Amino acid sequence: AQTVTQSQPEMSVQEAETVTLSCTYDTSENNYYLFWYKQPPSRQMILVIRQEAYKQQNATENRFSVNFQKAAKSFSLKISDSQLGDTAMYFCAFRTGGTSYGKLTFGQGTILTVHP
Amino acid sequence: NAGVTQTPKFRILKIGQSMTLQCTQDMNHNYMYWYRQDPGMGLKLIYYSVGAGITDKGEVPNGYNVSRSTTEDFPLRLELAAPSQTSVYFCASSSLPSLSGDGRPETQYFGPGTRLLVL
Repeated sequence: AQTVTQSQPEMSVQEAETVTLSCTYDTSENNYYLFWYKQPPSRQMILVIRQEAYKQQNATENRFSVNFQKAAKSFSLKISDSQLGDTAMYFCAFRTGGTSYGKLTFGQGTILTVHP
Repeated sequence: NAGVTQTPKFRILKIGQSMTLQCTQDMNHNYMYWYRQDPGMGLKLIYYSVGAGITDKGEVPNGYNVSRSTTEDFPLRLELAAPSQTSVYFCASSSLPSLSGDGRPETQYFGPGTRLLVL
């Protein structure tokens, strides 16, 4: 079974600064995908960024980027130029490739607060 | 497109009561999922479906039942509500993996959630 661990229950950052959220995972699979989801106070789950394990290049989406270290099984999220609207809980998620039917395994979440 | 819709938004149940959480998607997705999120925790998979008439258990299925008679709808049934089922319930859907071979994983689209309180 796969596990996902987010060791930072809460983080805070000043507006316009950069913050990094940590995520580690455990799997014996070689083909898998990793995701970061954002959950604002509205509770809607919003996909932020995703990474295919077979790709060495780190994914980037505007102000969001990841540092994917496959050997270390680490998948951190970097948010640059933080904005007040980034305040939310962030979840790291994992799914295997092949016939996993898209089932996701989530970490415990990190509450991020952006201060003005 | 409305995406994934869930009803009700909030419900209070007494112990032993039953109810059905509704989930509908209008994206013609084959895959649908039910997750629960306990306070301060990540989401855990309850049940999932890969198409009409096909369902299977996830990580925490006890106390729940599902059915999938149409592509659009995936209701979750609680037969005998217990305080341990107090949680926020999310429905999600996704399309089949890309057949183009580019390896892009399908994205899961989540509904807004149903908050359930069992007293």
